[in-house]
Amino acid sequence: AQTVTQSQPEMSVQEAETVTLSCTYDTSESDYYLFWYKQPPSRQMILVIRQEAYKQQNATENRFSVNFQKAAKSFSLKISDSQLGDAAMYFCAYSIRDDKIIFGKGTRLHILP
Amino acid sequence: EAGVTQFPSHSVIEKGQTVTLRCDPISGHDNLYWYRRVMGKEIKFLLHFVKESKQDESGMPNNRFLAERTGGTYSTLKVQPAELEDSGVYFCASSQDVGWKGNTEAFFGQGTRLTVV
Repeated sequence: AQTVTQSQPEMSVQEAETVTLSCTYDTSESDYYLFWYKQPPSRQMILVIRQEAYKQQNATENRFSVNFQKAAKSFSLKISDSQLGDAAMYFCAYSIRDDKIIFGKGTRLHILP
Repeated sequence: EAGVTQFPSHSVIEKGQTVTLRCDPISGHDNLYWYRRVMGKEIKFLLHFVKESKQDESGMPNNRFLAERTGGTYSTLKVQPAELEDSGVYFCASSQDVGWKGNTEAFFGQGTRLTVV
């Protein structure tokens, strides 16, 4: 069965610092997609970043970047220069083509001013 | 362009009652998904519509849940009769293309928080 594990239920980081959220997944597929979603207090789920498994290069979106280790089935999210607006629940997620998204339990990120 | 909208944002009902949740996807999006997050647990897939057809309903918990998508536009998710364990946040998402090819992205609504008392 495909699973996504986020081992950190909560994390805190000082404003302007860097934080890394961990995620591991389990799959027997070779072609799939990985995502990080952000859910702020407004509850709107927002796609932060996406990685295609066939791409070796780590995806980057401004202050957000991932460390994708396919062999280790690891997909961590690094947030640089943390801002107060980054405070949210972050969900790591996985999907194979033409299929549903499988989510982890989430990591609540607190930004300390 | 309007995003995915869900109604109501919050619903409190008594056990045994019926509740209907509604999702309006982004116009032109053929794919519509329902997900649910029970407190403290993962967001779980419920079902997937392609236009008006159910592509995958493997995540539906039981026959108390009925989803429809009239004319391939908006979708409703009815829970009848509601039980305490149905409490949670129900999310709807829509995407333009089948699958996640290229730049296809699933856009989520704000969710409906359902509380069964």
